[in-house]
Amino acid sequence: GESVGLHLPTLSVQEGDNSIINCAYSNSASDYFIWYKQESGKGPQFIIDIRSNMDKRQGQRVTVLLNKTVKHLSLQIAATQPGDSAVYFCADPAPNSGYALNFGKGTSLLVTP
Amino acid sequence: DAGVTQSPTHLIKTRGQQVTLRCSPKSGHDTVSWYQQALGQGPQFIFQYYEEEERQRGNFPDRFSGHQFPNYSSELNVNALLLGDSALYLCASRRGTAHNQPQHFGDGTRLSIL
Repeated sequence: GESVGLHLPTLSVQEGDNSIINCAYSNSASDYFIWYKQESGKGPQFIIDIRSNMDKRQGQRVTVLLNKTVKHLSLQIAATQPGDSAVYFCADPAPNSGYALNFGKGTSLLVTP
Repeated sequence: DAGVTQSPTHLIKTRGQQVTLRCSPKSGHDTVSWYQQALGQGPQFIFQYYEEEERQRGNFPDRFSGHQFPNYSSELNVNALLLGDSALYLCASRRGTAHNQPQHFGDGTRLSIL
């Protein structure tokens, strides 16, 4: 089965609100996680990563939280903008396949005016 | 600083044909991986190349093969195309083989099989 999975397939938020996209992982040995944004017709774009020795990491308007106890991570987007509309994937390198990235199905974020 | 570039952007083939897709990694990157992304799904790992050798392989048949050149660019070849091979093929690159280095993706080649 998949190491990472996303709780919700779609998320609709109003422009200016904060967005939270959640992700669960099953492999307790996973120690590195990446969030990607994929716009229609494009490849996944790196947003932010986090190593397991951290609980939180902030970027520009984005924050990733990692809870190793319940094997859960989230991506928070502050002041969501129309340009944030995309599919978001969390991914982790799978130890049993030479650390190839293991993706979930993705969450589609729709920002409404 | 160019990112990962892939060619062609779109390709249409018929069943039984063969196809070659190309990838140039981001500057400074030497490890290249290929992924297949079906519509509405997350990318699935095909294989990874480092130092011109296939280092890891996902659950894909031998019809899928690849190559890495001395300049780190890479090709993905698919023989005896099936309708189910229709997908977006993504190339990703990173520096070295450490698992905790981010992989950066190109915009992919959209392959359609008729």
